[in-house]
Amino acid sequence: TQLLEQSPQFLSIQEGENLTVYCNSSSVFSSLQWYRQEPGEGPVLLVTVVTGGEVKKLKRLTFQFGDARKDSSLHITAAQPGDTGLYLCAGASAGGTSYGKLTFGQGTILTVHP
Amino acid sequence: GAVVSQHPSWVICKSGTSVKIECRSLDFQATTMFWYRQFPKQSLMLMATSNEGSKATYEQGVEKDKFLINHASLTLSTLTVTSAHPEDSSFYICSATGDRVNYEQYFGPGTRLTVT
Repeated sequence: TQLLEQSPQFLSIQEGENLTVYCNSSSVFSSLQWYRQEPGEGPVLLVTVVTGGEVKKLKRLTFQFGDARKDSSLHITAAQPGDTGLYLCAGASAGGTSYGKLTFGQGTILTVHP
Repeated sequence: GAVVSQHPSWVICKSGTSVKIECRSLDFQATTMFWYRQFPKQSLMLMATSNEGSKATYEQGVEKDKFLINHASLTLSTLTVTSAHPEDSSFYICSATGDRVNYEQYFGPGTRLTVT
């Protein structure tokens, strides 16, 4: 069974601060996705990383995939109230009975105060 | 692109009745669809995986006779909660993928089920 440990579970910060969310596993993933979810809505895909060591930027968000494809991080610079939400990392398995399934981290509830 | 719709967005039903939730991929063909359940302020819990034209694969602990899944076409999957009870009240979310390379999943907006 693959596990993805996401931390921290809760983050409450002031507008303008920086933050980092981590996802760690002992398993190798073929790709890793980051999602953001607002209350009462479905998760929205932010980014997919597939190559070990890959770094992707989406405005103030920086995503990194570990060299061994077992861990990932999300860094937000100068957080804004609009960044508030539940952030989820999810690792994709390839092949066999786990085809296409995502292993989700526990989620990080981010609250950015104005 | 990659839009998934879900209907209804919320439903209230009486204990003992059945409820059907539809999940549609609007602009792509979904080779695989997934059904999740989510409790407040928690991550997603996978219930089952369905491939078009095949029987769904249920996760351990999920009753297949209670949560009936049908994937009739490459754009439609349905989840029927049979003989619903208050403990079935939850937020149900579907996702769909047609991506056989990176396995990106696109999620519907979710269905809030309340069983009274």
